[in-house]
Amino acid sequence: GENVEQHPSTLSVQEGDSAVIKCTYSDSASNYFPWYKQELGKRPQLIIDIRSNVGEKKDQRIAVTLNKTAKHFSLHITETQPEDSAVYFCAASKDTDKLIFGTGTRLQVFP
Amino acid sequence: KAGVTQTPRYLIKTRGQQVTLSCSPISGHRSVSWYQQTPGQGLQFLFEYFSETQRNKGNFPGRFSGRQFSNSRSEMNVSTLELGDSALYLCASSPHPSSGGNTEAFFGQGTRLTVV
Repeated sequence: GENVEQHPSTLSVQEGDSAVIKCTYSDSASNYFPWYKQELGKRPQLIIDIRSNVGEKKDQRIAVTLNKTAKHFSLHITETQPEDSAVYFCAASKDTDKLIFGTGTRLQVFP
Repeated sequence: KAGVTQTPRYLIKTRGQQVTLSCSPISGHRSVSWYQQTPGQGLQFLFEYFSETQRNKGNFPGRFSGRQFSNSRSEMNVSTLELGDSALYLCASSPHPSSGGNTEAFFGQGTRLTVV
């Protein structure tokens, strides 16, 4: 069935360092890959997304790369700040609004 | 523009009871999806509705059901509650343009259900 694996489950970095979170999806028909950030006690919020016809997308300190052949995509955060501390979820979907989520990565950025 | 609104925010129920949760999408959004969030299982897809039709259903027992109304508001119902149903239930709405394709899902604050 549809599945998205996400690694690592926890990630600790020093402020200013980069953070990378990786996801692998099983359904080769998936064509939309959003990333959500969820702060403690709050709702998930979209931070960046990528579609299958694009290999890379960047928005200031955040970038996402997609490798369709290997069926994996990654989130890159540069120059991390303490306010980047949260749980990050990757997801995959195909043509509908049904999202299959990864298990989440708890990112901690230490000052 | 008001965001996605879920009611109630908190709910405590007893095993065996049933519960109905409500979700009002962002005005103009026609697609509504529901997710269950637990510490152990993460975010799991429950249902997806578009124009009052269920387009997808996740791997949950038949005790979980839902519907969408003509104004795009959605409800989900869980019957014969079990302790394991304790979770945060999140609703998300998407504009889903007529041209098709995927669009950003906007989440509500969720309903925290506790079954005792």
